[in-house]
Amino acid sequence: EAQVTQNPRYLITVTGKKLTVTCSQNMNHEYMSWYRQDPGLGLRQIYYSMNVEVTDKGDVPEGYKVSRKEKRNFPLILESPSPNQTSLYFCASTPWGGTSGNRADTQYFGPGTRLTVL
Amino acid sequence: GESVGLHLPTLSVQEGDNSIINCAYSNSASDYFIWYKQESGKGPQFIIDIRSNMDKRQGQRVTVLLNKTVKHLSLQIAATQPGDSAVYFCAGSPQAAGNKLTFGGGTRVLVKP
Repeated sequence: EAQVTQNPRYLITVTGKKLTVTCSQNMNHEYMSWYRQDPGLGLRQIYYSMNVEVTDKGDVPEGYKVSRKEKRNFPLILESPSPNQTSLYFCASTPWGGTSGNRADTQYFGPGTRLTVL
Repeated sequence: GESVGLHLPTLSVQEGDNSIINCAYSNSASDYFIWYKQESGKGPQFIIDIRSNMDKRQGQRVTVLLNKTVKHLSLQIAATQPGDSAVYFCAGSPQAAGNKLTFGGGTRVLVKP
């Protein structure tokens, strides 16, 4: 079954304690991205990756890091979490459509990770 | 930069009626727009997309209209059903930025039986 998995699904942590949210897709997609979702603000892109070892900042990258060492995995790293990073996080993957860009109709979102930073 | 917003935070509609959800964008260079549906506790799900060289596109029970003159797009859902109750997001992408999507704040659609 084609899917994007995220772990953990729920996490409560304290300020300053490093954490990693994993994202994995089994569809051999080139493009992966991370979003955070906050009430009234919709989804905001944190980082995205066009392919292995190619990552770029989205709209709200401050306080986050990512890596793309393998095509299937795109972990989100919070080196020193703060309360303003309390949010619902989504990972997404899409096959690269070449000059047509991403195929949004085949974009898959993960189930989400609800993070609370105390 | 891209800015995408929605006119109404909540839309109540009678089952069987048509729903219209509106979205405005600010960047005239925006090339690609997508509508997503998000049900409670789930990630967004693609509904329909449209490129700037089109002004209308139809799917199954859904139609997206794009008015580039006033930088406005809308999603029309025909014969709204209880399963259509969800939050709907529009998203836009300027071609120059590749595949960087900017999402609107979302409209909650409540279907009344």
